[in-house]
Amino acid sequence: AQSVTQLDSHVSVSEGTPVLLRCNYSSSYSPSLFWYVQHPNKGLQLLLKYTSAATLVKGINGFEAEFKKSETSFHLTKPSAHMSDAAEYFCVVSEGLTGGGNKLTFGTGTQLKVEL
Amino acid sequence: DSGVTQTPKHLITATGQRVTLRCSPRSGDLSVYWYQQSLDQGLQFLIQYYNGEERAKGNILERFSAQQFPDLHSELNLSSLELGDSALYFCASSVGQGDYGYTFGSGTRLTVV
Repeated sequence: AQSVTQLDSHVSVSEGTPVLLRCNYSSSYSPSLFWYVQHPNKGLQLLLKYTSAATLVKGINGFEAEFKKSETSFHLTKPSAHMSDAAEYFCVVSEGLTGGGNKLTFGTGTQLKVEL
Repeated sequence: DSGVTQTPKHLITATGQRVTLRCSPRSGDLSVYWYQQSLDQGLQFLIQYYNGEERAKGNILERFSAQQFPDLHSELNLSSLELGDSALYFCASSVGQGDYGYTFGSGTRLTVV
């Protein structure tokens, strides 16, 4: 089974400073990886996805992530944090299942706090 | 608005009761997925339907069941409810069976008292 590990449960940054949310994955083959964001009392929004086309993936709202096979990592970054980025972020791996189905396995989440 | 509609948004019910959560997928999407988000278990995959047929099963309890109707909307039935079933239940949809990057609804918050 595939899995992801989010290395920090909470990250706090100042507005205007860089954001780094760390994620390591475990997979027996090239995985499909995603980052989702969940704002308070809201649903899950897809930030970006990696599906082996390019190792540096650009997403919405200025976020990007780099797939590093040698390090089994898929860290999420943003050059300059904004107050509206405060939310919970999930690193996710997609897994094909017997019978043609599919499921997403979520990490435990990283709560991002942005301070003035 | 993601295009995936879940109703109701909030539900409060007593232990032992039965509830039905409803999901309408995004237009054109054939797959519907159900996920449970709880404080102790995080986000867990429950079940997937594709074009009316069950495609994959995850950590879904026997007290829970789901179906997808010909118009592609789906219902998740939760019975003999326990306090521990209190959670946020998300529905997601995708075009195919194994697409990448689903679209999630805003969830139904179930509180069992």
